Amino acid sequence: KQEVTQIPAALSVPEGENLVLNCSFTDSAIYNLQWFRQDPGKGLTSLLLIQSSQREQTSGRLNASLDKSSGRSTLYIAASQPGDSATYLCAPAGAGKSTFGDGTTLTVKP
Amino acid sequence: DTEVTQTPKHLVMGMTNKKSLKCEQHMGHRAMYWYKQKAKKPPELMFVYSYEKLSINESVPSRFSPECPNSSLLNLHLHALQPEDSALYLCASSQLGQKETQYFGPGTRLLVL
Repeated sequence: KQEVTQIPAALSVPEGENLVLNCSFTDSAIYNLQWFRQDPGKGLTSLLLIQSSQREQTSGRLNASLDKSSGRSTLYIAASQPGDSATYLCAPAGAGKSTFGDGTTLTVKP
Repeated sequence: DTEVTQTPKHLVMGMTNKKSLKCEQHMGHRAMYWYKQKAKKPPELMFVYSYEKLSINESVPSRFSPECPNSSLLNLHLHALQPEDSALYLCASSQLGQKETQYFGPGTRLLVL
């Protein structure tokens, strides 16, 4: 059974800082890994999807990396803004389904 | 258009009621999903439909009954629920295949009294 761990559970930073969120998973037999953000009481918004054959994926200020063999992914956020405050979830996908980590709750202070 | 819609937004029901949640997408996706999310917890997969057929049931109690009447629509029928079933129910869709992104709806907030 896939187990997903996200570290840290919570993070508070001043505006403008660069930061890294970590995701580790136990079963490396995945075909992709997706990063989402979730605002309180809302649905999930897809940020990035990395296929198992890729090492990284970039979108704007976001960069996600994947090391499938070691079961790790990171999400790098550059020049953080208060609007980035949300919970960030990683979800490796395999065998037709995704498994979510508990998330990292990010607060960016003005 | 990358929108998944869910109705209703909020639902309050008694333990003897029968109600249904509805999810719709018009992106031509052939995979649709139901997730359950408790407060401060990650989403947990309940069901997956592929080409309108149930492909994954994560040992969900029979008081939850999914239905996929066509490729754009996914329902979740609720009957004789328990208070512990109160949660945010999320629907998602994707193309089939290993490269495909899941798109989520805003969810239905369910309260069982």
